[in-house]
Amino acid sequence: QSALTQPPSASGSPGQSVTISCTGSSSDIGSSNYVSWYQQHPGKAPKVIIYEVTKRTSGVPDRFFGSKSGNTASLTVSGLQGEDEADYYCSSYVAHNTYVFGTGTKVTVV
Amino acid sequence: EVQLVESGGGLVQPGGSLTLSCAASGFVFSSDWMTWVRQAPGRGLEWVANIKQDGSKIYYMDSVEGRFTLFRDNAKNSLYLLMNSLRAEDTAVYYCARDHDYKIDYWGQGTLVTVSS
Repeated sequence: QSALTQPPSASGSPGQSVTISCTGSSSDIGSSNYVSWYQQHPGKAPKVIIYEVTKRTSGVPDRFFGSKSGNTASLTVSGLQGEDEADYYCSSYVAHNTYVFGTGTKVTVV
Repeated sequence: EVQLVESGGGLVQPGGSLTLSCAASGFVFSSDWMTWVRQAPGRGLEWVANIKQDGSKIYYMDSVEGRFTLFRDNAKNSLYLLMNSLRAEDTAVYYCARDHDYKIDYWGQGTLVTVSS
């Protein structure tokens, strides 16, 4: 199973929005309702922020928005804050209870 | 509070073996799938393997199939990953995580495995 494709980097100024894409295929994102997004700060373990495409984990601000169209999922972070600077990974459930992760996107708040 | 604590990482020579352990607490361990995810230095996340609640189903990524063995002891709330025939490309931080309702929702802090001569 090949990794899902994400842009290596994205950036925005405080208060702006940034959208990260995650492109897969009809075998993963295109056929899955179980797309998740993870946030990872340097030296820390990942934390799930979005699951089932659009649902926010408890405590995650509504500035984080997940969506999907066809074989591509997206994460939009609006009202960027310094604490949003992190690596973001998408993930899709695939057949036989396995998962595939995206290549990761480093978000910088400039 | 859910806690997952990995141990067993370290330096091992190519071709060697290592067993990782994960001690779980704060939830009913026997009720959830468990999984290992790894992250090579400076690289992205990679799903490695997972195991059903009762251990009856286990799935591996292709590159570790036949070399890694995943098992659990529900009486001890523990998860184990036996890694044989280790290669340089297995060098990574290995995270133990809970696999709950098709999302990986709790992660340990990880244990570093370095395969080098």
